[in-house]
Amino acid sequence: QITLKESGPTLVKPTQTLTLTCTFSGFSFSASGVGVGWIRQPPGKALDWLALIHWDDDKWYSPSLKSRLTITKDTSKNQVVLTLTNMDPEDTATYYCAHLDAQGTFDIWGQGTMVTVSS
Amino acid sequence: DIQMTQSPSTLAASVGDRVTITCRASQSIDAWLAWYQQKPGKAPKLLIYRVSSLETGVPSRFSGSGSGTEFTLTISSLQPDDFATYYCQQYGGYSKTFGQGTKVEVK
Repeated sequence: QITLKESGPTLVKPTQTLTLTCTFSGFSFSASGVGVGWIRQPPGKALDWLALIHWDDDKWYSPSLKSRLTITKDTSKNQVVLTLTNMDPEDTATYYCAHLDAQGTFDIWGQGTMVTVSS
Repeated sequence: DIQMTQSPSTLAASVGDRVTITCRASQSIDAWLAWYQQKPGKAPKLLIYRVSSLETGVPSRFSGSGSGTEFTLTISSLQPDDFATYYCQQYGGYSKTFGQGTKVEVK
């Protein structure tokens, strides 16, 4: 059974860097085709794909946020870390991590973690 | 960057209605189109991938169709559990763009 869980701060100040961790079980980056993505959702708004890391360390980023995002993985810990620099109140959102299946879609999602940006 | 546009943004319907949601891509995405359902306070749930393939466990009243740039999600007979927001997503190329969502609400 695949599960994912996001963790990180609930409140960050403007200009700070956000670091979120996705800890997963039920799959491993040792298997080819595996990936983990990050998606966010501002309150009352649509889903916004942020980044994706594949089993072979190939990394994809949203073009609009590429300069502020970094995604990394720790295969030994079954974790994926997302950093977002220069946080702004508009970055207030629920941040989800999700498993990328063999079809290329996000078939299993974490519960999400709400991050508020405020001074 | 590929943009995804859904219509309508909100749809009021009754139990038993046939519901259709449209999703248009700014350029051809072949068949790299998925649909998700999201309920308030919950993570999205994958319903359909590759335009028309149902994820395991998804009721057969859900169906998808389309190709290229225009796609539809149809619920053949709306059930109480189906009131939710639906998102399309393109997953071709090097991005995974979502549409802005369609909220299906009670008429």
